[in-house]
Amino acid sequence: GAGVSQSPSNKVTEKGKDVELRCDPISGHTALYWYRQSLGQGLEFLIYFQGNSAPDKSGLPSDRFSAERTGGSVSTLTIQRTQQEDSAVYLCASSEDRGGITDTQYFGPGTRLTVL
Amino acid sequence: GIQVEQSPPDLILQEGANSTLRCNFSDSVNNLQWFHQNPWGQLINLFYIPSGTKQNGRLSATTVATERYSLLYISSSQTTDSGVYFCAVERGDYKLSFGAGTTVTVRA
Repeated sequence: GAGVSQSPSNKVTEKGKDVELRCDPISGHTALYWYRQSLGQGLEFLIYFQGNSAPDKSGLPSDRFSAERTGGSVSTLTIQRTQQEDSAVYLCASSEDRGGITDTQYFGPGTRLTVL
Repeated sequence: GIQVEQSPPDLILQEGANSTLRCNFSDSVNNLQWFHQNPWGQLINLFYIPSGTKQNGRLSATTVATERYSLLYISSSQTTDSGVYFCAVERGDYKLSFGAGTTVTVRA
């Protein structure tokens, strides 16, 4: 079946602008994650959604970052007032819910964000 | 937080050679995954292996949870094996913590 999809694949923006990144998880996966990959920090967790539960936002680097998941499926990561240090590849992943037991996380192709 | 260390950081192989990549982690984990990041940036699942040994074609992996390490074996390497290999662990909080990766270059 279809994998995790993300859009756009590339985004170039000017410092101070807001951006929205979209993730479509694998159909039937109730868990959704956002990660960020940057040269200086490697791969780091941002936020986790599981079903209708409150998201785990513990990895968000500042209050300029927010995310929502509508209808338990599509997720949008929003970065307000972008800064140059926000430049990175933003990766989305999804996994099945096995009754509280973590399962394999499958990653999308990522969105490469460049803040000028 | 948990520390995940991968070695070696870089590996250059001649096509057909075998190699072993290592992942050490600093605390007990619920789960461990190995990924291959191809030159286009896509993270591809290789193994979900919290313990034991698994094989998939020319690749195999072993995790010894009690000793806090995992090994990824690549046999008869091919140029398509080039890329970065990541180990990631999870401690029951659903978040993957990644190592810095091993960059593998396979030369024809």
